[in-house]
Amino acid sequence: GAVVSQHPSRVICKSGTSVKIECRSLDFQATTMFWYRQFPKQSLMLMATSNEGSKATYEQGVEKDKFLINHASLTLSTLTVTSAHPEDSSFYICSARGKGGRELYEQYFGPGTRLTVT
Amino acid sequence: GDSVTQMEGPVTLSEEAFLTINCTYTATGYPSLFWYVQYPGEGLQLLLKATKADDKGSNKGFEATYRKETTSFHLEKGSVQVSDSAVYFCALSDLGGYQKVTFGTGTKLQVIP
Repeated sequence: GAVVSQHPSRVICKSGTSVKIECRSLDFQATTMFWYRQFPKQSLMLMATSNEGSKATYEQGVEKDKFLINHASLTLSTLTVTSAHPEDSSFYICSARGKGGRELYEQYFGPGTRLTVT
Repeated sequence: GDSVTQMEGPVTLSEEAFLTINCTYTATGYPSLFWYVQYPGEGLQLLLKATKADDKGSNKGFEATYRKETTSFHLEKGSVQVSDSAVYFCALSDLGGYQKVTFGTGTKLQVIP
């Protein structure tokens, strides 16, 4: 149980375009979702935290107008990278926390999305 | 703020060797501590965790003990296998892990036959 999926797993887009990444909790309701970014050979950096039905809370230094996060339902959060540039190329990973049971006390991570901006 | 420091890799071991990956932390409260593993091309999987001092987390032959006095959570395995080759992240979180998780930089482990 407690599976989190991401789509797409890989995406290549041209500079200046926007790309949307989906994060879904498949078998539990995720009240909170987290979005991380991982640069090559580096650790994960938290970008933002989103609670279902409310605006995301962004970490310091993360542009909220560039990285749009929508947590419209208890099983889906989306990250949209607007006007992407090559420096946005990275591995984006989401995680989710549930509203009860074991899922309340752990974060479950998705498999990640590799974004390449050309 | 909270931080996690872990030994730099890569670590290369022969199969059946003993593994230790050091991890120390700085936190203002009483965090929960975690080890996550990331296999090539995949996301993170929780390997083990400990939520209070002197707790030992264990899974798949890996162990780590929460040492409050030394602020450490070193990962150990008595006999590594080729399939253990991955990147290992030490992490901490307040309030049991359902709040923000702070990660170390990761240690790449390569096990050779």
